[in-house]
Amino acid sequence: DQQVKQNSPSLSVQEGRISILNCDYTNSMFDYFLWYKKYPAEGPTFLISISSIKDKNEDGRFTVFLNKSAKHLSLHIVPSQPGDSAVYFCAASAAGSNYKLTFGKGTLLTVNP
Amino acid sequence: EAGVAQSPRYKIIEKRQSVAFWCNPISGHATLYWYQQILGQGPKLLIQFQNNGVVDDSQLPKDRFSAERLKGVDSTLKIQPAKLEDSAVYLCASSLGGRRADTQYFGPGTRLTVL
Repeated sequence: DQQVKQNSPSLSVQEGRISILNCDYTNSMFDYFLWYKKYPAEGPTFLISISSIKDKNEDGRFTVFLNKSAKHLSLHIVPSQPGDSAVYFCAASAAGSNYKLTFGKGTLLTVNP
Repeated sequence: EAGVAQSPRYKIIEKRQSVAFWCNPISGHATLYWYQQILGQGPKLLIQFQNNGVVDDSQLPKDRFSAERLKGVDSTLKIQPAKLEDSAVYLCASSLGGRRADTQYFGPGTRLTVL
């Protein structure tokens, strides 16, 4: 049972435009959400997180939006740069679970120059 | 600051053989994680250590997988005997503590191929 779903395996955008990566979750106990970025042959690196008490968190070009009623979050990258080309994983954790992270399958973002 | 180190980077073995992976976390990080990432999937937590104690090993196939963290620093993950479905990238991560806000830092992973 996939508790964290990233339904788009890939996304292609032009440099300078907005990239929007989506993530849905089914476990209503999840209350903390993270995005990780992964380049080939490297481990994932933390990008940005959001707690369920917020609906938006911003860090430079990266903004994460959380819609709890829809159990949906999205990562916006503005403007997109070729160096942003990577696999993006959405992850979630629940209080009382030792903060264990449950990851989605990832979305491959390609930013074309 | 040195990152999480893992070795070997690649390993090819025959099914039913044994294999071991090594991880050296970031200095001072009390929490260490082992993840399995099968091709096309996200990382799945196998085991979490807090210092040298196990916090969560609910998804570790204990009939064939074992892990230890001696002296609360380095860790090894062993598979014995390996099956074809164990082919995956094994990622080690560490964090300062086990709290929610503690970022998990990942190593480059070990790619295991079981033939």
